[in-house]
Amino acid sequence: NAGVTQTPKFRILKIGQSMTLQCTQDMNHNYMYWYRQDPGMGLKLIYYSVGAGITDKGEVPNGYNVSRSTTEDFPLRLELAAPSQTSVYFCASSSSSGGAWETQYFGPGTRLLVL
Amino acid sequence: QKEVEQNSGPLSVPEGAIASLNCTYSDRGSQSFFWYRQYSGKSPELIMFIYSNGDKEDGRFTAQLNKASQYVSLLIRDSQPSDSATYLCAVPKIKAAGNKLTFGGGTRVLVKP
Repeated sequence: NAGVTQTPKFRILKIGQSMTLQCTQDMNHNYMYWYRQDPGMGLKLIYYSVGAGITDKGEVPNGYNVSRSTTEDFPLRLELAAPSQTSVYFCASSSSSGGAWETQYFGPGTRLLVL
Repeated sequence: QKEVEQNSGPLSVPEGAIASLNCTYSDRGSQSFFWYRQYSGKSPELIMFIYSNGDKEDGRFTAQLNKASQYVSLLIRDSQPSDSATYLCAVPKIKAAGNKLTFGGGTRVLVKP
């Protein structure tokens, strides 16, 4: 199993450009998440999904959009990139079995620089 | 008060010593707690999970939970230079869909040879 994969690994955007960060998991997890992590900080939830066709906002959704057409894929769209969106973006997934031990598994991250 | 708080560090410990990390949480109803390790430039990886009061040991790692005082700690015994990383405490949001986690800001640990 590859687990959670993300592309690209690194990207430089100009202010006002748009891009899509890709995320795919092969663990048949229903729950998927997008986080951003600013330097020296913890993780902040941008959006999450509890299944195909169902998404919801996290703590910091402004400037982002998501879709979930399949169980495996959860792309994150940045519209009109701003310097404040310079960060490392992590995608994660989790089982929906409901156990207290269910944790999240993270992809390798995408480093985004907006200039 | 932040939902999950950690001392940002850096926590500097000599090789072979015990590193002690603390995490406090605000939601008294929280039931389970996770510790993740994150090496510089890498993604977080789960190292410990605890949901009962008391201690849980896994190799050189021990997690300690005190629900009455609302803190969870992580001890790293016989610290090695390879333990140098940022350690993130994470607490599931109760009564919330999707197994969402709230992360603390992380404690950076430096193990000096």
